Amino acid sequence: AQSVTQLGSHVSVSEGALVLLRCNYSSSVPPYLFWYVQYPNQGLQLLLKYTSAATLVKGINGFEAEFKKSETSFHLTKPSAHMSDAAEYFCAVSEFTGNQFYFGTGTSLTVIP
Amino acid sequence: NAGVTQTPKFRILKIGQSMTLQCTQDMNHNYMYWYRQDPGMGLKLIYYSVGAGITDKGEVPNGYNVSRSTTEDFPLRLELAAPSQTSVYFCASRLQETQYFGPGTRLLVL
Repeated sequence: AQSVTQLGSHVSVSEGALVLLRCNYSSSVPPYLFWYVQYPNQGLQLLLKYTSAATLVKGINGFEAEFKKSETSFHLTKPSAHMSDAAEYFCAVSEFTGNQFYFGTGTSLTVIP
Repeated sequence: NAGVTQTPKFRILKIGQSMTLQCTQDMNHNYMYWYRQDPGMGLKLIYYSVGAGITDKGEVPNGYNVSRSTTEDFPLRLELAAPSQTSVYFCASRLQETQYFGPGTRLLVL
């Protein structure tokens, strides 16, 4: 069975500060890992994905995430927050050979001017 | 390409009514998915399909039905709407490991 835990349902940062959104997963087999962003009243957009290549993955809008197998984590970071980063962020996991995706409960990011 | 489109955008149903949420993709993807999103709960998989004529249950299939007669279309059917089905519904298609989401349908059951 697979599951995803996102620590912190709400995170607030000042504009220009570091963004750190936490994601831990459980999987009995090597996983694919994803971060999605959702702006108000829109669908989810893929930010970045880990598919067993480089453990440090770079995505769109300056975000990156590092896969740490020993910690079963895939935390999302951005060095400097921008007002446009305010959104809901979801971590997701699937198996290499699986058909299903499992999502975390989401983290709402607020950026304070 | 329009990507994944969903209709309607918003609907109010009375308890016991039925409706079909439409989902169409123009990317020729074999895999398609239906999720529901409830506040604080993330996305839960309702049904998915690996190709035309093949569907399978996800985590929360009760109260829903799907069909997949073509590669492009993956409608979700609610036969007897219940207040517990008030949610935002997202359809997605998939190529390899990446999913592409539609804009969602907001459903209110009263």
